[in-house]
Amino acid sequence: DVKVTQSSRYLVKRTGEKVFLECVQDMDHENMFWYRQDPGLGLRLIYFSYDVKMKEKGDIPEGYSVSREKKERFSLILESASTNQTSMYLCASQLQGWEKLFFGSGTQLSVL
Amino acid sequence: QKEVEQNSGPLSVPEGAIASLNCTYSDRGSQSFFWYRQYSGKSPELIMFIYSNGDKEDGRFTAQLNKASQYVSLLIRDSQPSDSATYLCARSTGNQFYFGTGTSLTVIP
Repeated sequence: DVKVTQSSRYLVKRTGEKVFLECVQDMDHENMFWYRQDPGLGLRLIYFSYDVKMKEKGDIPEGYSVSREKKERFSLILESASTNQTSMYLCASQLQGWEKLFFGSGTQLSVL
Repeated sequence: QKEVEQNSGPLSVPEGAIASLNCTYSDRGSQSFFWYRQYSGKSPELIMFIYSNGDKEDGRFTAQLNKASQYVSLLIRDSQPSDSATYLCARSTGNQFYFGTGTSLTVIP
């Protein structure tokens, strides 16, 4: 089975801190995604990547950046954390287009 | 314009009944459809996927796709309390993956 591992299950940060969320997949998938999920708003796409060193903006990229230096790893960076970035962050990987997404266990981030 | 529409619920059914979850979409292009189940505080897990018109069955779950009417549904037979969760409908166009906001299902013992 595909395993998508997110580095932290719970994270508490201060306003203004730089935050790194790490995601690693072990099945040589081409595509990787970062979503955030908030009550009533569903899953919203932040960034995605179809290949190493490639990245595409999703629906809500403001305040975030990403890095994909290796195929298996996709990092989400909050340059200067703000309270409105308190959310559940979900990483997903996909073998290629049309295929199902596999999700990591999620990181619940609280920004105080 | 939302890409995928779901009734947010909550939907309540008694144990042993059939739960019916529906999803509509607005794009007639080629695409595939997925149903994910998400327990509170957990990440989504895939239940079913369907690419072609008609029904697809897997155990107690049946996915139905009607491309002409632009809807996809999920039927859960013999509903169990452990089926209580939020169900997310999603579609993929090959380039993009779109999620509905989810339908909350409660199965009452």
